[in-house]
Amino acid sequence: GENVEQHPSTLSVQEGDSAVIKCTYSDSASNYFPWYKQELGKRPQLIIDIRSNVGEKKDQRIAVTLNKTAKHFSLHITETQPEDSAVYFCAASHGSARQLTFGSGTQLTVLP
Amino acid sequence: KAGVTQTPRYLIKTRGQQVTLSCSPISGHRSVSWYQQTPGQGLQFLFEYFSETQRNKGNFPGRFSGRQFSNSRSEMNVSTLELGDSALYLCASSFGLAGGLLNEQFFGPGTRLTVL
Repeated sequence: GENVEQHPSTLSVQEGDSAVIKCTYSDSASNYFPWYKQELGKRPQLIIDIRSNVGEKKDQRIAVTLNKTAKHFSLHITETQPEDSAVYFCAASHGSARQLTFGSGTQLTVLP
Repeated sequence: KAGVTQTPRYLIKTRGQQVTLSCSPISGHRSVSWYQQTPGQGLQFLFEYFSETQRNKGNFPGRFSGRQFSNSRSEMNVSTLELGDSALYLCASSFGLAGGLLNEQFFGPGTRLTVL
């Protein structure tokens, strides 16, 4: 089955700096890669996703890049703010699997 | 549109008991997936239902089961509870297509199950 590895497990940045979280996946058939943000005690929220026919996608301060050859994808957050502090999860799926396989999460702390 | 709702939000049970959790998806969504979240194992897929049929199942014992009703609401049941079943159980809804790509999944607030 699919295996997703996520790094780093913790990340601290100064407010205004950029943050990058990286994930690798094992199943070359995976074609859908969402990112979720989970604040303490709250539900995971979908913040951005990308499909395998696209190399990069941006939404304001958030971007995701995908390298299908290397089987890795990354989340980039620019101009970080304290409210960006949360646990971020990457995930991967391919159509017939009808499930998300999650990475282990990254605790992002943005220091004011 | 109202988001995904789950009931109850908190449950305390003892070993050996059984429990039923409920999930109401976003209106119009026909696919409901269930996940278990624990500090040690992270987010793990339990099963997915679409049009009242289980379409996929994760690596969990048979004590974990579920069903989906004609209005797309879903329930999951855990029988003979063990201490290790203590977790946050999340359901996620998506529009879903019978044989197609997984669409965006939106999570409910979860049910926090504590087994004593």
